[in-house]
Amino acid sequence: GNSVTQMEGPVTLSEEAFLTINCTYTATGYPSLFWYVQYPGEGLQLLLKATKADDKGSNKGFEATYRKETTSFHLEKGSVQVSDSAVYFCALTLSITGNQFYFGTGTSLTVIP
Amino acid sequence: DSGVTQTPKHLITATGQRVTLRCSPRSGDLSVYWYQQSLDQGLQFLIQYYNGEERAKGNILERFSAQQFPDLHSELNLSSLELGDSALYFCASSADRSNSPLHFGNGTRLTVT
Repeated sequence: GNSVTQMEGPVTLSEEAFLTINCTYTATGYPSLFWYVQYPGEGLQLLLKATKADDKGSNKGFEATYRKETTSFHLEKGSVQVSDSAVYFCALTLSITGNQFYFGTGTSLTVIP
Repeated sequence: DSGVTQTPKHLITATGQRVTLRCSPRSGDLSVYWYQQSLDQGLQFLIQYYNGEERAKGNILERFSAQQFPDLHSELNLSSLELGDSALYFCASSADRSNSPLHFGNGTRLTVT
């Protein structure tokens, strides 16, 4: 089946630390991959996406590379800020499933000054 | 602003009651998705509509139903409410092309007392 596995949280980092949130996937076909971010009290917002192998998505200092050989799409940021505190969701979609989306369980990040 | 509008923002009701949640998708998006987010179960896919037709069903209870109208807005009906139905309910829309992301509304927070 199709699924996404994210690293367990919560994650707590000091400001300016390096962030990695692991995401691996299982898919029957060639998925598009996404990272979403949810700030407290808000809906999920698209952070970045990649649509084929070796694509790198980037936005707001965050990056993730679509690795087909390891079926991974890890989220990274070189220097986190307090304002990055949020819940991060990895997701995939497949056109052969009618564009259904499969979400990971979310990883909560808290950045302390 | 994602362009997806959900009403109401908050809803407080008693067990056994029925409520209707409303969603207006982004302009031009034909696909609407409903999700339930609770603290202990993460983001659960409920149902997807495409241009008025049901396309996919997830973990949607028989007490819940949805529809998408000709103007593409959607409603989620929850009946015989139980305490465990208290959650955030999100609507999302997409252009439904193979790489199209989901765009989420800010959700309706339902509290069943």
